[in-house]
Amino acid sequence: GNSVTQMEGPVTLSEEAFLTINCTYTATGYPSLFWYVQYPGEGLQLLLKATKADDKGSNKGFEATYRKETTSFHLEKGSVQVSDSAVYFCALSFSGGYNKLIFGAGTRLAVHP
Amino acid sequence: GAVVSQHPSWVICKSGTSVKIECRSLDFQATTMFWYRQFPKQSLMLMATSNEGSKATYEQGVEKDKFLINHASLTLSTLTVTSAHPEDSSFYICSAPPGLAESTDTQYFGPGTRLTVL
Repeated sequence: GNSVTQMEGPVTLSEEAFLTINCTYTATGYPSLFWYVQYPGEGLQLLLKATKADDKGSNKGFEATYRKETTSFHLEKGSVQVSDSAVYFCALSFSGGYNKLIFGAGTRLAVHP
Repeated sequence: GAVVSQHPSWVICKSGTSVKIECRSLDFQATTMFWYRQFPKQSLMLMATSNEGSKATYEQGVEKDKFLINHASLTLSTLTVTSAHPEDSSFYICSAPPGLAESTDTQYFGPGTRLTVL
């Protein structure tokens, strides 16, 4: 079946540290891949996405590259800020499937000054 | 960006009672809305797809008589947890794509409703 596996959190970093949150997927076809972020008290927001192999999604300094050979979509940021503290969800969906999202468990990131 | 609201944000009820959760798209029309359930430290699990003017489509293993979904208008979907029991305690989240779900990969999420059944 289709599934998404994320590294467990919480991840605790100091401000300006480098961030990596690992995400791997299992899929029967070629899904689109997403990172969503949930700030405290708010709904999930799309952070970035990639729709085919080798695509790189980027937004707000975050990046992730769709790697078909390793079935991965790791999230990275070169220098995190306190305001990046949130829960990050990796997800996949298939076009034509009414965009039903399959989520990973989420990774909580805490950034300290 | 577009906003999806949920009401209530949290609810506590007694076992055996029914609870209704509303999901509204505030500045766009949504022919489709999705309902998710999230257990602590676990993924969001899709429960059902709510379609305006027609029956909801439930995911495998979700009891349709337990979780009643009504998508009465292009801006409102409701999830009713009937005869709630402690195992129904969870965080319920809705989302809505703008316009036709099959033509976009964008979804806007509500902030969620925490249900606690005593």
